[in-house]
Amino acid sequence: AQTVTQSQPEMSVQEAETVTLSCTYDTSESDYYLFWYKQPPSRQMILVIRQEAYKQQNATENRFSVNFQKAAKSFSLKISDSQLGDAAMYFCAYRRLHTGNQFYFGTGTSLTVIP
Amino acid sequence: DADVTQTPRNRITKTGKRIMLECSQTKGHDRMYWYRQDPGLGLQLIYYSFDVKDINKGEISDGYSVSRQAQAKFSLSLESAIPNQTALYFCATSDGGLGQGDTGELFFGEGSRLTVL
Repeated sequence: AQTVTQSQPEMSVQEAETVTLSCTYDTSESDYYLFWYKQPPSRQMILVIRQEAYKQQNATENRFSVNFQKAAKSFSLKISDSQLGDAAMYFCAYRRLHTGNQFYFGTGTSLTVIP
Repeated sequence: DADVTQTPRNRITKTGKRIMLECSQTKGHDRMYWYRQDPGLGLQLIYYSFDVKDINKGEISDGYSVSRQAQAKFSLSLESAIPNQTALYFCATSDGGLGQGDTGELFFGEGSRLTVL
């Protein structure tokens, strides 16, 4: 079974500093997607960044970047120059593409940004 | 307007009542999902549908049923609500993930917070 593990239930970062959120996953597949979603207090689920497993280059979206280590099954999210608006729950997700074609979510990391 | 719309956004009901949560989408996706979110548990899949005639149970389907009325509409029902069904419910859609131009991610509605007293 596919599992996604976020080992940090809570993290905090000083405004303008950098923080890294960890995610590991378990799979026997070679082709899949990985995602980070942000859920602010408004409760909306917002896509932060997407990584396709066949791409070796790490995805980046402005201040957000990932460190994708396929062999280690690790997918961490780095937030640079943290802003107050980054405070949210962050979920790591894995999408299996073949048998079942399902999404699997971690339990989330609550990020606090300290002014 | 939102691509994925859920109604109601908030609902308080009593034990034993029948509740329906509705979802409609303008993404043109065939695949639709219902998830439940509880604190500390992430998102759990209740039901999913890859086509109007295709309905599948997820990991926590007991106590729930669904109806796919059209490609764009997917509703979730609680036939007899109980307090441990108090949660935040999300509808979501996705493309197939394997086609050219597919982006692969889930597009979420704004969530429906259900409280069962």
